[in-house]
Amino acid sequence: NAGVTQTPKFRVLKTGQSMTLLCAQDMNHEYMYWYRQDPGMGLRLIHYSVGEGTTAKGEVPDGYNVSRLKKQNFLLGLESAAPSQTSVYFCASGSPLAKNIQYFGAGTRLSVL
Amino acid sequence: QKEVEQDPGPLSVPEGAIVSLNCTYSNSAFQYFMWYRQYSRKGPELLMYTYSSGNKEDGRFTAQVDKSSKYISLFIRDSQPSDSATYLCAMINTGTASKLTFGTGTRLQVTL
Repeated sequence: NAGVTQTPKFRVLKTGQSMTLLCAQDMNHEYMYWYRQDPGMGLRLIHYSVGEGTTAKGEVPDGYNVSRLKKQNFLLGLESAAPSQTSVYFCASGSPLAKNIQYFGAGTRLSVL
Repeated sequence: QKEVEQDPGPLSVPEGAIVSLNCTYSNSAFQYFMWYRQYSRKGPELLMYTYSSGNKEDGRFTAQVDKSSKYISLFIRDSQPSDSATYLCAMINTGTASKLTFGTGTRLQVTL
């Protein structure tokens, strides 16, 4: 049972390059989330989605875009990467029918040079 | 001021010790309280889940919530080296798409 799968696991970008992080979940959860984790800052919510075709901004949305075209997938895009976006990115999914517990992927380590 | 405050540690204890990890919060609307464990270079995994005030026990782990004081705790009995990880408290304000508000995490090291 895969749970939440994130690809890629590692990536190095140059400033100004773009990329997309993919999150896939096989638990039929309605809600999906993208977080970034930085030392001393904890996990901060970037964007989230409460269903297919819907997205909303979290705490730190600037510089990121998201899309949820299918219920099982949630994509995070960086249009023009900046060094400040060097971080570890985590995707999570959850459901109000499952006690609102969020299940996390293994993370993507991104370095922007 | 952050909604959830958590001492970042690091906390170092000998094997077999009782560990107490704590978080305080300011938003009285938080209803669900969780503890996640995160091993180095891994994603957070749910350890304990409680709803409203009270205690919950699961093996060596006990989660405690005191809503009147806005204070939650996680106790680990007979700590093991395998408990060495970062422990994150998290809370949900229902009606907000189940968004979690996290503490910054406490790094725990259990030594032999």
